[in-house]
Amino acid sequence: DAKTTQPPSMDCAEGRAANLPCNHSTISGNEYVYWYRQIHSQGPQYIIHGLKNNETNEMASLIITEDRKSSTLILPHATLRDTAVYYCIVRAHSGAGSYQLTFGKGTKLSVIP
Amino acid sequence: DAGVIQSPRHEVTEMGQEVTLRCKPISGHNSLFWYRQTMMRGLELLIYFNNNVPIDDSGMPEDRFSAKMPNASFSTLKIQPSEPRDSAVYFCASSLPGGDSPLHFGNGTRLTVT
Repeated sequence: DAKTTQPPSMDCAEGRAANLPCNHSTISGNEYVYWYRQIHSQGPQYIIHGLKNNETNEMASLIITEDRKSSTLILPHATLRDTAVYYCIVRAHSGAGSYQLTFGKGTKLSVIP
Repeated sequence: DAGVIQSPRHEVTEMGQEVTLRCKPISGHNSLFWYRQTMMRGLELLIYFNNNVPIDDSGMPEDRFSAKMPNASFSTLKIQPSEPRDSAVYFCASSLPGGDSPLHFGNGTRLTVT
């Protein structure tokens, strides 16, 4: 798996956009960028993923640079319930037809009232 | 969609006892993953199955750990004998076929071995 680098922690004011960066400079051409978050005492929750193009869903937007060496997860209007650890993961696809996700330490996002 | 269901939610046992953790994946998902989370080591992949067949068990810490998937709707992770260092939260996840299908996680089993 390509390695990812994320800041250990970030703060964001409630109602403002939260922009979480991730570096993945060794990403391969067929590897996807995935974002998950984990709220205390719960299982990791899938947020969004992408390959080359920017993606948006009801939870967030994912901006991937043209060279694919970095990406940014955007939560457009952060709420207190968005306080969590956010994981950026580059997914390896094995030859057996399945794949695995390798989690790093993530970014602890604190949304401040 | 009931999501991935794990049982029990909490397990407290004494050292040396056998522990069995259970997982029901989302219907139609053909890949199943077992992860372990501790403060020191974070989230670690233990083993994953594809179409009920173990594909990679290199993350299983030692022979005391074993996992089975007898059918597409059920998997177990067994620790025998358990040790205090096995105390952790164990997560099960499942996904659809296809290279870009996200994993969906259960809420985990918190295991405490005294």
